[in-house]
Amino acid sequence: DTGVSQDPRHKITKRGQNVTFRCDPISEHNRLYWYRQTLGQGPEFLTYFQNEAQLEKSRLLSDRFSAERPKGSFSTLEIQRTEQGDSAMYLCASSLGTSGNTEAFFGQGTRLTVV
Amino acid sequence: GDSVTQMEGPVTLSEEAFLTINCTYTATGYPSLFWYVQYPGEGLQLLLKATKADDKGSNKGFEATYRKETTSFHLEKGSVQVSDSAVYFCALITYGQNFVFGPGTRLSVLP
Repeated sequence: DTGVSQDPRHKITKRGQNVTFRCDPISEHNRLYWYRQTLGQGPEFLTYFQNEAQLEKSRLLSDRFSAERPKGSFSTLEIQRTEQGDSAMYLCASSLGTSGNTEAFFGQGTRLTVV
Repeated sequence: GDSVTQMEGPVTLSEEAFLTINCTYTATGYPSLFWYVQYPGEGLQLLLKATKADDKGSNKGFEATYRKETTSFHLEKGSVQVSDSAVYFCALITYGQNFVFGPGTRLSVLP
């Protein structure tokens, strides 16, 4: 296993279009997180899953954002009707264990540019 | 809610200088603490961690001690190298919650 992988690495889209990102976690990891990072800032929490259950969603996440993790494996993050303010790096991470206190392993991220 | 505060950067040091990056936290539970590093053009990588009070995490010459009494987890290195130039993030997680990150501190090491 080579770690957490994200696809695509870069996405340029026009304002108003929908985009979908994919994350493949480390295979035995049951927790999967999505974060957003803008230039010069730390990662900002969006949502996380334990297996296929979405346990928490940030209040900052508008209803244009939706995430799924069918069968507790890969996850997708969809942004509908994109806005310029959605431009950011979208990070996925995974971790092992039900306690949730073990370290997270991050993917390389998907850089979204909305023009 | 939980939060992490880090010293503002950028921090610029000469090679072989001593490094300290301050990190303090606020948490409702008993968190595990982490330092992550982001090299230019790369993703976040775990640098070190500590899961209970007085634990010392260490890796690649970096160290940080979990101080519950001062709610701190300061990052130190005795002699920095040019290759240590990166952005450093302090982070925490409490039971059943998500990771909370600080804003990051950019370190530049000059030869």
